[in-house]
Amino acid sequence: QKEVEQDPGPLSVPEGAIVSLNCTYSNSAFQYFMWYRQYSRKGPELLMYTYSSGNKEDGRFTAQVDKSSKYISLFIRDSQPSDSATYLCAREYNFNKFYFGSGTKLNVKP
Amino acid sequence: DGGITQSPKYLFRKEGQNVTLSCEQNLNHDAMYWYRQDPGQGLRLIYYSQIVNDFQKGDIAEGYSVSREKKESFPLTVTSAQKNPTAFYLCASSNPDIWGGWQPQHFGDGTRLSIL
Repeated sequence: QKEVEQDPGPLSVPEGAIVSLNCTYSNSAFQYFMWYRQYSRKGPELLMYTYSSGNKEDGRFTAQVDKSSKYISLFIRDSQPSDSATYLCAREYNFNKFYFGSGTKLNVKP
Repeated sequence: DGGITQSPKYLFRKEGQNVTLSCEQNLNHDAMYWYRQDPGQGLRLIYYSQIVNDFQKGDIAEGYSVSREKKESFPLTVTSAQKNPTAFYLCASSNPDIWGGWQPQHFGDGTRLSIL
């Protein structure tokens, strides 16, 4: 059983659409959850992190954690072609150690 | 600009050969990590180091070795004992706070290793 599950996609949307990316995870006693964006042949870059549950917003991005249903979401408003990338979610399982999902590939069409 | 530099970008290994992947950071981070990324799988932790001259095995350490002689450097050796080394290797660093608490990990741009 994978510790963090993501739909691999690809998810294809028109420019300007609202994108919803989701992960499910198994039990976690730890509190940190992260979203990374990874462009092709590049390393992941941290987009957002959340602590415990609830929402966190940063510009066009909103991260949401629902601990009761073990669900992590990333919403992208007004999506742009430059948002086309693979999005990785991660959850902490030990101090400074994380399980990563396999990523969802997003394609935003102009 | 501060960051993490991985080299080479592409690397080819012959059967029975050991190869070493370089990771250098100038972020003054204490902790460094090596991950392996395979298609359809999440990043998996190979080794990590919280401080110079100390490192611990991650979830898939077999067939790999590391050293941490300098704060800036954390090279990974893929030995001939690693039977399926073809993957994208990512190095990361972070700076845990004074209580050992969480801080985000920053990644390099990876090394793609293939078998000849």
